[in-house]
Amino acid sequence: AQSVTQLDSQVPVFEEAPVELRCNYSSSVSVYLFWYVQYPNQGLQLLLKYLSGSTLVKGINGFEAEFNKSQTSFHLRKPSVHISDTAEYFCAVRGNYGGSQGNLIFGKGTKLSVKP
Amino acid sequence: KAGVTQTPRYLIKTRGQQVTLSCSPISGHRSVSWYQQTPGQGLQFLFEYFSETQRNKGNFPGRFSGRQFSNSRSEMNVSTLELGDSALYLCASSLAGRFSGNTIYFGEGSWLTVV
Repeated sequence: AQSVTQLDSQVPVFEEAPVELRCNYSSSVSVYLFWYVQYPNQGLQLLLKYLSGSTLVKGINGFEAEFNKSQTSFHLRKPSVHISDTAEYFCAVRGNYGGSQGNLIFGKGTKLSVKP
Repeated sequence: KAGVTQTPRYLIKTRGQQVTLSCSPISGHRSVSWYQQTPGQGLQFLFEYFSETQRNKGNFPGRFSGRQFSNSRSEMNVSTLELGDSALYLCASSLAGRFSGNTIYFGEGSWLTVV
């Protein structure tokens, strides 16, 4: 079974400051990792995903994440945030069962609040 | 191309009633999955359909059911509604095949309030 822990439920930050949203996972199989963003009253939008290869993944809106297998982490970062980044961010894993489908397992979410 | 479309966006039902939610996936996507989002439990997987067959199911009671049609459109049904069923129900679609790395695209959700 897989599980995802997002260590911070809320992260307040000032505009133009850097931010890191933390995500740790546990799994008995290899996984694919995802970060989604949810703006108020909207669905989920994919920011980035890690499948294999380079452990540093770049996504949309200037976000990037680093996969660390030894620490089972997949932290999301942005060097300079904007007011428009205010949203809830979800880390998710999907088991890699030799290529077969697994459903997404989500963390509880981190609410990023960017203040002027 | 059009994204995942869910209808209705908002609805209010009374305890004991049933509700049907509809989802149209992105054109060409044959896998449709449903998730429930609540403040307390977060995002939880309900079920996944592929080629009109349920391929995967989450840990929800039998009151929650779904189906997929030959055009990949999907519906989910909740019978005998309870107050705790109030939630945002998200539909998602992805390409055919069993590659777990396929991106899953989400709709904007159906907000269900049970009173």
